[in-house]
Amino acid sequence: DQQVKQNSPSLSVQEGRISILNCDYTNSMFDYFLWYKKYPAEGPTFLISISSIKDKNEDGRFTVFLNKSAKHLSLHIVPSQPGDSAVYFCAAFGEYNNNDMRFGAGTRLTVKP
Amino acid sequence: EAQVTQNPRYLITVTGKKLTVTCSQNMNHEYMSWYRQDPGLGLRQIYYSMNVEVTDKGDVPEGYKVSRKEKRNFPLILESPSPNQTSLYFCASSIAGGAYEQYFGPGTRLTVT
Repeated sequence: DQQVKQNSPSLSVQEGRISILNCDYTNSMFDYFLWYKKYPAEGPTFLISISSIKDKNEDGRFTVFLNKSAKHLSLHIVPSQPGDSAVYFCAAFGEYNNNDMRFGAGTRLTVKP
Repeated sequence: EAQVTQNPRYLITVTGKKLTVTCSQNMNHEYMSWYRQDPGLGLRQIYYSMNVEVTDKGDVPEGYKVSRKEKRNFPLILESPSPNQTSLYFCASSIAGGAYEQYFGPGTRLTVT
C-alpha cells in the first residue's frame, strides 16, 4: 500500500532552469514531510523538510511547497545544476507514530549542462 | 567524522544460508532503522529501534530479525534468506525517531540465489 507516491520516475531539465519534483500522499495523518537525495552507490542524504503547519520552506536553491488539502507536495530547485542530478525521495510520517516513515519510489533527476 | 557504516557492502549468497549485515553509528543516536530499496517501491522500513533493547517491526519485517544490544550497533539478520530478499539494504540513524533527519549508511547490495 503506497501511501506516498512519486508518479514521475524520471525528470530531465536544462542547467539553470527550474526542476519541479512532485509527491502525493494518501494518509491524512501525515503531518511532517522530508525530501532525501541519493547519488549512486551512496545512502540517501537529507535535503529539506516541512511541517504541516507551514505551506512553504526554503533552503537556498531548494523550496518545498505543501498543499494539505490536495495531499500534495513539491520540491523546486532553482536554478538547477548538473550536480543536482540524483534520485530524490519524498518521505512522510505522522505525529501519531513518528517511527512509521513512508517513502515514495523516487524520481531520477537529470540536469543537462 | 559522523557516519553510519554497514558491512558488507556487497554479498552474494545462497538460499537458506544464514547471514548478518552489520550497522554501526558513531553519533550516539537513539534511533536506528533498516530499510530495503526495490525498483518502483522506494525505501520500505524493515525494523526500527528506539533505544537499546527496544525494537519494533516496520512495514516489511517478514524474514528478518534485528537486535540492539548496544546503542551504536543494529545488525540485520536473515536466518534463512530467500531470493525475494535480494535487494539493496540501508541502515539509518537519527537523534530520536523518524521526526528527525536520518543519516543513512552507504548500503548493502544483497543477492540471494
